[in-house]
Amino acid sequence: GAVVSQHPSRVICKSGTSVKIECRSLDFQATTMFWYRQFPKQSLMLMATSNEGSKATYEQGVEKDKFLINHASLTLSTLTVTSAHPEDSSFYICSARAPTGYSSYNEQFFGPGTRLTVL
Amino acid sequence: GESVGLHLPTLSVQEGDNSIINCAYSNSASDYFIWYKQESGKGPQFIIDIRSNMDKRQGQRVTVLLNKTVKHLSLQIAATQPGDSAVYFCAENNAGNMLTFGGGTRLMVKP
Repeated sequence: GAVVSQHPSRVICKSGTSVKIECRSLDFQATTMFWYRQFPKQSLMLMATSNEGSKATYEQGVEKDKFLINHASLTLSTLTVTSAHPEDSSFYICSARAPTGYSSYNEQFFGPGTRLTVL
Repeated sequence: GESVGLHLPTLSVQEGDNSIINCAYSNSASDYFIWYKQESGKGPQFIIDIRSNMDKRQGQRVTVLLNKTVKHLSLQIAATQPGDSAVYFCAENNAGNMLTFGGGTRLMVKP
């Protein structure tokens, strides 16, 4: 199956700093990628949809100026958490939508996640 | 907004028994449903999917049942093994081609 990677897998930073998380589709091109956030013992919540070559679409309640998304190529999307605070500590997961005909209908392939801890 | 929910937050089964995990969805326009398995500290792993024009789909040891009349989805795992221990999420694909995840059920397999 298709592989999606994330880097870093784990990051610890001080409050006020910015953190960049990369999401890569390794063996297919993804025009659409998604960023989710998952707090402990909770489900995945969609933060935004990342579209290659255009602005990301943010879900209600997600601050676009705080969570900067860049989808500069068909295999890479980045999420930057700006001026991170302890409440931003969470598990961030990206997914990439497979091209038409690549696999099951409208399937998304998920990355392994990035654990962000803000001190 | 629309949501997907689960009845049981934790399910404990004996190794070798069958497991059934349930999910209720509320968006009647959803056309595609997926079950994911998530182990601790990892991303979701695709298990099985089903389109809305089907009511049953079988995979290896897993079966998904879809009842559109009552908006209910279930995942059946045959001969549950310790490696099946994880959190299971159902997700629905809505008209906007977005996935909405249910709350999750933790499956614990007792040896």
